[in-house]
Amino acid sequence: GESVGLHLPTLSVQEGDNSIINCAYSNSASDYFIWYKQESGKGPQFIIDIRSNMDKRQGQRVTVLLNKTVKHLSLQIAATQPGDSAVYFCAERADNFNKFYFGSGTKLNVKP
Amino acid sequence: ETGVTQSPTHLIKTRGQQVTLRCSSQSGHNTVSWYQQALGQGPQFIFQYYREEENGRGNFPPRFSGLQFPNYSSELNVNALELDDSALYLCASSFPTGTGELFFGEGSRLTVL
Repeated sequence: GESVGLHLPTLSVQEGDNSIINCAYSNSASDYFIWYKQESGKGPQFIIDIRSNMDKRQGQRVTVLLNKTVKHLSLQIAATQPGDSAVYFCAERADNFNKFYFGSGTKLNVKP
Repeated sequence: ETGVTQSPTHLIKTRGQQVTLRCSSQSGHNTVSWYQQALGQGPQFIFQYYREEENGRGNFPPRFSGLQFPNYSSELNVNALELDDSALYLCASSFPTGTGELFFGEGSRLTVL
């Protein structure tokens, strides 16, 4: 089956620094990717998405980069804030039924 | 607030029992997906319902079954519960096409003893 994995299970950053969370995916046919944020006791929350025909997309304080050559996805968070502390998941869609495969997540700790 | 609501929020069952979890989708969404999230893991796709029919399924045994109703709400049923079924069960609604973004509920935490 598909495999979506993250390089770092835990990332600690100082408040105000930039954060980069990485993700590797295995299915070259995946056409759509989403980054989700999950706070303790809550469901995943959409952060930003990107389609496979793009290599970069920017949102408010967040940027997603897609490198299809090496099947790598990253999430950049600018000026990280304590409220950004959570587990971040990348998810890939590999078929037309909106079925997503999630990685195991990276925990982001923001130190004040 | 995504508009996806799930019930119950927490429940405890024993091995062999059956459980039904419920989900109301966000207004306007006609597709509902169910995911299982074990502790410390990412969500795993169980199945998806569109127009009251299952139209996609992950690697889960038949004792995991579901329903979707005309108002797009959905149920997840699990029979013959096993200890490994202990997890957070997430419901997500979406449009079947377009952005494809999944809107998740807060989940139902199931503990099997």
